Amino acid sequence: QVQLQESGPGLVKPSQTLSLTCTVSGGSISSGDYYWSWIRQPPGKGLEWIGYVYYSGSTHYNPSLKSRLMILVDTSKNQFSLRLSSVTAADTAVYYCARLRSDLWSGVYFDNWGQGTLVTVSS
Amino acid sequence: EIVLTQSPGTLSLSPGERATLSCRASQSVSSTYLAWYQQKPGQAPRLLIYDASSRATGIPDRFSGSGSGTDFTLTISRLEPEDFAVYYCQQYGSSTGCSFGQGTKLEIK
Repeated sequence: QVQLQESGPGLVKPSQTLSLTCTVSGGSISSGDYYWSWIRQPPGKGLEWIGYVYYSGSTHYNPSLKSRLMILVDTSKNQFSLRLSSVTAADTAVYYCARLRSDLWSGVYFDNWGQGTLVTVSS
Repeated sequence: EIVLTQSPGTLSLSPGERATLSCRASQSVSSTYLAWYQQKPGQAPRLLIYDASSRATGIPDRFSGSGSGTDFTLTISRLEPEDFAVYYCQQYGSSTGCSFGQGTKLEIK
């Protein structure tokens, strides 16, 4: 059973860079059927897709975050990471890593999620 | 960008009743790329439905999905106490990426 676990600082100062890592266990991040994704949820609000990375390193980002965003993959560690620069209070959220399954016949959907980690942007 | 609008924002029903949740897209979405999730307080979302109408592994058959084009529906045939939660629809587009609806809160009446 594949499990995903987020890790990283829970508090980031305004204007700094938010960095999180997702460790994948129980399966290989190099599986070709999946994209490795980040999603966030501000307190009391809905879900916002941030972006995803393929094991090859190719990425697709939410246009609203693209200028500040980088998602990287490290296949040797079975991990992928999120870097969001120039953060403000509006970036305070629970950040989830998730596995995005991509299948020609059954579609594209998030079939496995981490438990989420709260990141607060505050001085 | 494809915007998903869910209605109603809040749905108040009693256990045993039928729930019908709507998800409307701002432009046509392939049904293959439409999914539904359930989220309970303090938990990560859980996949319920993919490909608009296929139940995920372990999801009870009281959950069903339907729709095409711009209008999609999640139906819960007979509500159980554990079904009261927030529900999100999600779509994927090859050029636009993913997006979620704003959610429907299903609460006990």
